[in-house]
Amino acid sequence: QKEVEQDPGPLSVPEGAIVSLNCTYSNSAFQYFMWYRQYSRKGPELLMYTYSSGNKEDGRFTAQVDKSSKYISLFIRDSQPSDSATYLCAMRRLGAGGTSYGKLTFGQGTILTVHP
Amino acid sequence: DTEVTQTPKHLVMGMTNKKSLKCEQHMGHRAMYWYKQKAKKPPELMFVYSYEKLSINESVPSRFSPECPNSSLLNLHLHALQPEDSALYLCASSQVASEQYFGPGTRLTVT
Repeated sequence: QKEVEQDPGPLSVPEGAIVSLNCTYSNSAFQYFMWYRQYSRKGPELLMYTYSSGNKEDGRFTAQVDKSSKYISLFIRDSQPSDSATYLCAMRRLGAGGTSYGKLTFGQGTILTVHP
Repeated sequence: DTEVTQTPKHLVMGMTNKKSLKCEQHMGHRAMYWYKQKAKKPPELMFVYSYEKLSINESVPSRFSPECPNSSLLNLHLHALQPEDSALYLCASSQVASEQYFGPGTRLTVT
């Protein structure tokens, strides 16, 4: 079983829809959570970074973390065709020492298409 | 500014060539990373440098040789690569144990 599970989709929604992207994880040592957006043949772009349970909002994006259920989500409101990309969740263990230092564990990525 | 730059954008090399990938950041980050990404897969960590010292090597073959000349620069030296090494090579940087910012990547093709 992978440490981080993410449905690869593909997910296709109409413009203006609310999109929900999710990841589950099995290792309770993960304490820091990130969402990246990656356009085709480009590097991942950091969208959200959070370390506490609850919601964090930035514009049309809301990141939600539920550590008790080991479940994280990214919501996109009023989705636009320009949101069409692969969305990667990533997480990291607490602390800066040892072999866990800075290492991110990624989900497989969800391919999202927003059609006009 | 959260920019990480990488050169070249594209690279084609033969199996006997020696080439280098370059990465630069001016955000004052003290950790820098190399990742390899194959199509439709997430990035795979290769190396981590912290304060210009190699802190993680994810059992990468010796034909990949990283170098961190200073806190802003990161190189990846390539020698005797195989066709299966063709991929997008990503550089990232972060403050110590904080969120990582990625560059645009170098698309490498080994012929």
